[in-house]
Amino acid sequence: GQQVMQIPQYQHVQEGEDFTTYCNSSTTLSNIQWYKQRPGGHPVFLIQLVKSGEVKKQKRLTFQFGEAKKNSSLHITATQTTDVGTYFCAGLRASGGSYIPTFGRGTSLIVHP
Amino acid sequence: DAGITQSPRHKVTETGTPVTLRCHQTENHRYMYWYRQDPGHGLRLIHYSYGVKDTDKGEVSDGYSVSRSKTEDFLLTLESATSSQTSVYFCATGGRIGTGELFFGEGSRLTVL
Repeated sequence: GQQVMQIPQYQHVQEGEDFTTYCNSSTTLSNIQWYKQRPGGHPVFLIQLVKSGEVKKQKRLTFQFGEAKKNSSLHITATQTTDVGTYFCAGLRASGGSYIPTFGRGTSLIVHP
Repeated sequence: DAGITQSPRHKVTETGTPVTLRCHQTENHRYMYWYRQDPGHGLRLIHYSYGVKDTDKGEVSDGYSVSRSKTEDFLLTLESATSSQTSVYFCATGGRIGTGELFFGEGSRLTVL
């Protein structure tokens, strides 16, 4: 079945440093989504990428979708303590007319003040 | 946030007992999903539903069954709970094919002794 690999599993940074998490799929994806889960909370949707080579920005967050639609990245510039949490990518695959999201294992971001 | 309610939020039970978790949504979303979240494993899909009485298995469906008799309710049943099913269970809903954005409930923490 489809696998979505995400690295690194953990990342410690000093406040103000940049952070990047990477997501790789064994198969071509139709879409990819990113979610953030705060400690003790539930995943919250951040963004969806659809097009090959797409780049989207949300303030300090930059999301990229690879040309082959098999990989994606999330980059945070100048991290803040409010960025703490686990970031998940989810690759969507078509299944009988539905789109089934498969999540990576997540990258936990720890920001030291 | 979408109106998604999970119950119970916390449950402790003994091995061999049946357990049912309920997910209730007020958004009239067509798609509903049950995920389990375990340290180091991210979010793994148990079962999903693409309509009333239409369900399918996810990647970790063994030991679980689901039912969806109404659009708003999606039940997850553990017929005979085992310690390996100790986890946090998240329900998610999604409205549109291809858009795929998921809205998550608050989670249900299940401990099987």
